[in-house]
Amino acid sequence: NAGVMQNPRHLVRRRGQEARLRCSPMKGHSHVYWYRQLPEEGLKFMVYLQKENIIDESGMPKERFSAEFPKEGPSILRIQQVVRGDSAAYFCASSPGLSRGDTQYFGPGTRLTVL
Amino acid sequence: RKEVEQDPGPFNVPEGATVAFNCTYSNSASQSFFWYRQDCRKEPKLLMSVYSSGNEDGRFTAQLNRASQYISLLIRDSKLSDSATYLCVVTRWSYGKLTFGQGTILTVHP
Repeated sequence: NAGVMQNPRHLVRRRGQEARLRCSPMKGHSHVYWYRQLPEEGLKFMVYLQKENIIDESGMPKERFSAEFPKEGPSILRIQQVVRGDSAAYFCASSPGLSRGDTQYFGPGTRLTVL
Repeated sequence: RKEVEQDPGPFNVPEGATVAFNCTYSNSASQSFFWYRQDCRKEPKLLMSVYSSGNEDGRFTAQLNRASQYISLLIRDSKLSDSATYLCVVTRWSYGKLTFGQGTILTVHP
């Protein structure tokens, strides 16, 4: 059973470009979460999605950031017009549900560098 | 005040030492508690869940005090491979999102 997959692992963008980060959850998991880890900081929740629905986007910056989890295919975190402050590690996690025993498993992350 | 607070360390201990980490959380509605481990800013990996009754997994013991909103992790007989950042994590059932502490850095030296 493959784990959570993220690609690309490393992404370099110039200021003003767009960044697209992809996440494929573990098999059988329908809940996807995105977290961001800025340099020298802890992980911060961004958004929680189920298939075709955004459940909680309370941690997502209001502008330039969007996320989707279509019926088919991976979840996508999209950052438009990137700025240097967007440079961070972006981790995706998945879980089978929200019950007490449902653990979130993390992917290897995408390291975004904005030049 | 941060929702989850940890002593960032770093803790530098010799092999074989016993080390304890503490964590406090501010939201009394929190229902599930975990310790994750993160190596060199790779992905966090679940170390263990934390229950009110306390739980042990080999050299690791976790405790939860709901009244004090306090979580602890004890590592006995430290190994070099225990060197990592330990993350205290809380959540509420049906909320989805995990709230992380900033992490405690542990370095075990020969």
